[in-house]
Amino acid sequence: SQQGEEDPQALSIQEGENATMNCSYKTSINNLQWYRQNSGRGLVHLILIRSNEREKHSGRLRVTLDTSKKSSSLLITASRAADTASYFCAPSYLSGAGSYQLTFGKGTKLSVIP
Amino acid sequence: DTEVTQTPKHLVMGMTNKKSLKCEQHMGHRAMYWYKQKAKKPPELMFVYSYEKLSINESVPSRFSPECPNSSLLNLHLHALQPEDSALYLCASSYPATGGAGGYTFGSGTRLTVV
Repeated sequence: SQQGEEDPQALSIQEGENATMNCSYKTSINNLQWYRQNSGRGLVHLILIRSNEREKHSGRLRVTLDTSKKSSSLLITASRAADTASYFCAPSYLSGAGSYQLTFGKGTKLSVIP
Repeated sequence: DTEVTQTPKHLVMGMTNKKSLKCEQHMGHRAMYWYKQKAKKPPELMFVYSYEKLSINESVPSRFSPECPNSSLLNLHLHALQPEDSALYLCASSYPATGGAGGYTFGSGTRLTVV
């Protein structure tokens, strides 16, 4: 399978704490993306890290990528109740058809308790 | 305009009906995608269009028929669906040449129920 695998599957923290989610994948990638999904709604793109990058920041988000281990992590600092959502990692790779393809892992369900 | 618009938001159809889902974007993206998401599962890729041409079909049953009339519009025609096809259908778009370097923009989805 080309999809990512997130760990943990569920995470519950207090508001103000940091949340860390991990992702592993199995094939060479062009980039790796993280998305958030609130219940029953569309996905929101959070951050993209290219295969030649090791770390990237965006606001309270920090993403790392280790291509030698085929793994990535997403850190959300100073969490808020509004961060409660499912978070998906999505490796992007060049398919045999010559198009880039994005596949999603099972996700981490984050609950931030006020 | 930085949105992907999907219509309708909700659809209930019988197994003998023919219906269509519509997706529209005006961001100049030249790749568009259909994903299917069952409850508590990740989105699964169905189709990829690149420059209005179908480039990936993930072995989707023929009762789902995609169409890309122009660079801004993507349709999914539905016919003779089964109850197990009930799901959230998500459309997305991106710049294909750079491997989606800007990420994908998703619509809010169509919640489909087949009765």
